[in-house]
Amino acid sequence: DTAVSQTPKYLVTQMGNDKSIKCEQNLGHDTMYWYKQDSKKFLKIMFSYNNKELIINETVPNRFSPKSPDKAHLNLHINSLELGDSAVYFCASSQDSGLGSLHFGNGTRLTVT
Amino acid sequence: SQQGEEDPQALSIQEGENATMNCSYKTSINNLQWYRQNSGRGLVHLILIRSNEREKHSGRLRVTLDTSKKSSSLLITASRAADTASYFCALWTNAGKSTFGDGTTLTVKP
Repeated sequence: DTAVSQTPKYLVTQMGNDKSIKCEQNLGHDTMYWYKQDSKKFLKIMFSYNNKELIINETVPNRFSPKSPDKAHLNLHINSLELGDSAVYFCASSQDSGLGSLHFGNGTRLTVT
Repeated sequence: SQQGEEDPQALSIQEGENATMNCSYKTSINNLQWYRQNSGRGLVHLILIRSNEREKHSGRLRVTLDTSKKSSSLLITASRAADTASYFCALWTNAGKSTFGDGTTLTVKP
């Protein structure tokens, strides 16, 4: 009954590969997010979706493409992975569009070799 | 940058002591939130304080907000070993944009 679940928990892959991370929330929230946390724990928003529509798209390489098939799911696809993409990626959701508290998943640790 | 800046970066205290973490920012905000992150886990929401509020409490947590100084503090009273974690402030603008601070790593020694 995890509120925000993301898979996989760990992802190790080689440069140049394409990979996806899946996220699902069962809280009935309207807004979902992807955040990237680097090795220094700095957390930066990448995207946010409200009811399947993109509302925030920070300066992220276009190799990163979010996809929201419905408001309970927000997947992240990454093309042509680079070493610098290694980080922990967090999915989150909130009831209010951008002003409420966030519920985070437990993260996907991506390692690009 | 509107990013929250937290200090100290790291804090080590004995169980039972109080821990205070500070967050400063540069822009106008709608609200400020505090989160806790245990090692290897996602962030957990602790408290949300709106720009027209000055203080909020939740159990052993007390958050203050001074919008004139653009700063907030998180006080954890009577700390426990289980409070060991990283603590982040996060700022929300009226446009719904959020930025997180760099975090304070708290170690509570038993």
